[in-house]
Amino acid sequence: DIQMTQSPASLSASLGETVSIECLTSEDIYNNLAWYQQKPGKSPHLLIYYASNLQDGVPSRFSGSGSGTQYSLKINSLESEDVATYFCLQDSEYPYTFGAGTKLELK
Amino acid sequence: EVQLVESGGGLVQPGRSLKLSCLASGFTFSNYGMNWIRQAPGKGLEWVASISGSSSYIYYADTVKGRFTISRDNAKNTLYLQMTSLRSEDTALYYCASTVATEFDYWGQGVMVTVSS
Repeated sequence: DIQMTQSPASLSASLGETVSIECLTSEDIYNNLAWYQQKPGKSPHLLIYYASNLQDGVPSRFSGSGSGTQYSLKINSLESEDVATYFCLQDSEYPYTFGAGTKLELK
Repeated sequence: EVQLVESGGGLVQPGRSLKLSCLASGFTFSNYGMNWIRQAPGKGLEWVASISGSSSYIYYADTVKGRFTISRDNAKNTLYLQMTSLRSEDTALYYCASTVATEFDYWGQGVMVTVSS
């Protein structure tokens, strides 16, 4: 199974700041990496697919990058509505596996 | 607008069975894969099972293989998860999610399953 190492586990940042979250995979997943946002008490919501493609309706301050075994999600100009937990997912091969999550809070 | 609505959750004793349903609307259900993902209380996400549009391809996580069965009724636009031999570690919020344009692109609101005596 492909192992996912997501960091940091938690993150505190100020409004307007830029933050980054990283996912490392145990083997090359050929950009088959997605990012999800989950607000408290809500279902996960797709932000980025295939490493860098922005899902329709997602603000452009979100971006994804990476290749091989190293991927990242960047949020520019942090807004209060971005407070959430973020998960990465590898959908390169079954069993699909998620990162452990990054809880983003406002400082 | 894609909508996914899960139902069938509840409190069940260890060793018993439960069947979840997910009613889909807003897209041509039979053309797309569907999935179940779960989230234990306060924990992360775990992929459980996937099924292709025609039911030709089915995949399970090792943690549920042999106990859970994913299926679909395309005439009813409904996805199912039959869960047997339930264990306390199966306690979770179960989400159905679609694979319309990409994996897990739309999610339901989730249904809670609690396994306890």
